[in-house]
Amino acid sequence: KQEVTQIPAALSVPEGENLVLNCSFTDSAIYNLQWFRQDPGKGLTSLLLIQSSQREQTSGRLNASLDKSSGRSTLYIAASQPGDSATYLCAVRNTGNQFYFGTGTSLTVIP
Amino acid sequence: DTEVTQTPKHLVMGMTNKKSLKCEQHMGHRAMYWYKQKAKKPPELMFVYSYEKLSINESVPSRFSPECPNSSLLNLHLHALQPEDSALYLCASSQGPAPWSNQPQHFGDGTRLSIL
Repeated sequence: KQEVTQIPAALSVPEGENLVLNCSFTDSAIYNLQWFRQDPGKGLTSLLLIQSSQREQTSGRLNASLDKSSGRSTLYIAASQPGDSATYLCAVRNTGNQFYFGTGTSLTVIP
Repeated sequence: DTEVTQTPKHLVMGMTNKKSLKCEQHMGHRAMYWYKQKAKKPPELMFVYSYEKLSINESVPSRFSPECPNSSLLNLHLHALQPEDSALYLCASSQGPAPWSNQPQHFGDGTRLSIL
């Protein structure tokens, strides 16, 4: 079974810093990988989707990379803002059509 | 505002009650999903519907009964739930035929369910 791990579990940074969130998965036979943010008590907001054939996706201050062979993805957030504070989740879609979410990283950006 | 609407936002029910959760989307998506999320845990997939037909059931207990009456609507019927079923129930949708869709999932804000 696919296992998806996110490190660190929690991260606190001062406003303006650049930061990297990590996502690791054990089975490289993935279809795609999606990054989400979740605010407390809310649903998930899709940030970026990377297909298995892609290496990188960018949206505004966010950049996600994928190294399928090593089972890793990173989410880079530039010039962090207090509004970026949330839990960030990665999710992989296996070619076996199953979805697996990572354990999440709780981000706090301090003004 | 989310494009996937879930009602109710909160639900408290006894173990003998019967209730239903509702999910609606008008994006023309043909795949819809139910997830269960416990506090401080990631979402866990429960069911996937593709073109109104159940395509994935992740060994969910029969006290949870999904229904997809049309392409815009997804229900989750609840009966004889247990206290450990208390969680946030999330609905999602995506374009194209599931489960082979390469399009992103869009989530609702969820229903917070508490079982007394």
